[in-house]
Amino acid sequence: AQSVTQPDIHITVSEGASLELRCNYSYGATPYLFWYVQSPGQGLQLLLKYFSGDTLVQGIKGFEAEFKRSQSSFNLRKPSVHWSDAAEYFCAVALYNNNDMRFGAGTRLTVKP
Amino acid sequence: NAGVTQTPKFRILKIGQSMTLQCAQDMNHNYMYWYRQDPGMGLKLIYYSVGAGITDKGEVPNGYNVSRSTTEDFPLRLELAAPSQTSVYFCASRGQGWTEAFFGQGTRLTVV
Repeated sequence: AQSVTQPDIHITVSEGASLELRCNYSYGATPYLFWYVQSPGQGLQLLLKYFSGDTLVQGIKGFEAEFKRSQSSFNLRKPSVHWSDAAEYFCAVALYNNNDMRFGAGTRLTVKP
Repeated sequence: NAGVTQTPKFRILKIGQSMTLQCAQDMNHNYMYWYRQDPGMGLKLIYYSVGAGITDKGEVPNGYNVSRSTTEDFPLRLELAAPSQTSVYFCASRGQGWTEAFFGQGTRLTVV
């Protein structure tokens, strides 16, 4: 079955530490891949996306993500986390020949001072 | 440029009542979506539309209806509200091709 999995429900990191949020997908073909961030009480904002080409993509706010076809993964990273990065992060996938976008369950990030 | 606008932001309904969640976008996008967000469950697709007059079911359509009479508007209708429909509802839109989807601020609905 097609699915998007974010294995970590909640992650806590110290400010200044590095961050990696995991995303795995299960689709017959390589989907389009997205990471969104949601601050409390807000809508979702796109951080970055992957369609094709270079497997390391850069996004806003210093985030990057790497697509690994062999692992069906699209993990989000940031070298040094800021307190303002505390939010919920969603991985999403879409298929070229499909019209909808499916989301993972989300990972809530807490940043310790 | 307002983007995607959802109204209302908050609403409390009694069991069995009906209501319509409004969604409007001013980006001339063909594709529009309704999601519900429950804690720990991420966003689940309720309905989507690929253009005026065309709608289709998503993962969790039961208890909801939609219409798309114009490109701009995509209202979501709850006919007989149930406690299980307590959730945060997000509307989104996107243009042709898989560019990013733009989201509204959400509607927090409580059914009591």
